[in-house]
Amino acid sequence: QQQVKQSPQSLIVQKGGISIINCAYENTAFDYFPWYQQFPGKGPALLIAIRPDVSEKKEGRFTISFNKSAKQFSLHIMDSQPGDSATYFCAAARLNRDDKIIFGKGTRLHILP
Amino acid sequence: KAGVTQTPRYLIKTRGQQVTLSCSPISGHRSVSWYQQTPGQGLQFLFEYFSETQRNKGNFPGRFSGRQFSNSRSEMNVSTLELGDSALYLCASSLARAGANNEQFFGPGTRLTVL
Repeated sequence: QQQVKQSPQSLIVQKGGISIINCAYENTAFDYFPWYQQFPGKGPALLIAIRPDVSEKKEGRFTISFNKSAKQFSLHIMDSQPGDSATYFCAAARLNRDDKIIFGKGTRLHILP
Repeated sequence: KAGVTQTPRYLIKTRGQQVTLSCSPISGHRSVSWYQQTPGQGLQFLFEYFSETQRNKGNFPGRFSGRQFSNSRSEMNVSTLELGDSALYLCASSLARAGANNEQFFGPGTRLTVL
C-alpha cells in the first residue's frame, strides 16, 4: 500500500512535443504529490507539487494532472526542450505527518534536438 | 547559501569492506535523510536523523547505519559490503522533520562501486 508506481521507465520525445509521465498510488491517505527532476551528476530537486483538493496545477511548461478517484497523477511537459532531458521522479506523502516521502522508480526523459 | 555537500563523491571498495559516507546539510537545517538510488529500484529511503536521533528507517539490513552530530552533519556507514550495495547514495536536508511539510534539498550524492 506504500508503493508509487511510475511509467514509463524511459521516454524519448521530439523537441517541441509533449512529454507525459504517469504515476499511480494505492494509499488513499496520501495527500501530497511532488515531482522531482534530476540532472546527471546532481541530486533530485523539487519541480512541482500538488495536493488533492485541485485537479491540476501548472507552473510554466510543467503541469500536474490529478485524478483522485483513479488514484493517479501525471506530469505533462509542454513544448519539451533538450534542457528538459533528465530523470523525473513522482512521489507521495501525507501532509502534517513526519512520514517519509515514497518515491516512484523514475523516468529517464530524453528530448531529441 | 551553500547547498548540501557530500564526501567523497566517488568511492571504490571491495566486498567485505566497510565504508563511511559524509553529509553536511544546508546551514540551519536540522534533518538529514539518506537514500539509495539504483537504476532498477529508483530512490529508496534508508533513514532520517533529526536532532541527533534516528526518526525514521527504511527496509534495509542492519549493515546500514548512520548517525548525526550536534552540528547536524551526518555520516552513513555500510559494513560487510556486498556487490548489490553499488549505488548512488544521496543525502537530503530539511529545516525540520522531512516530509510533505518541509522541502528536502538533495546533495549530489556519493557513487559507491563495490568490486
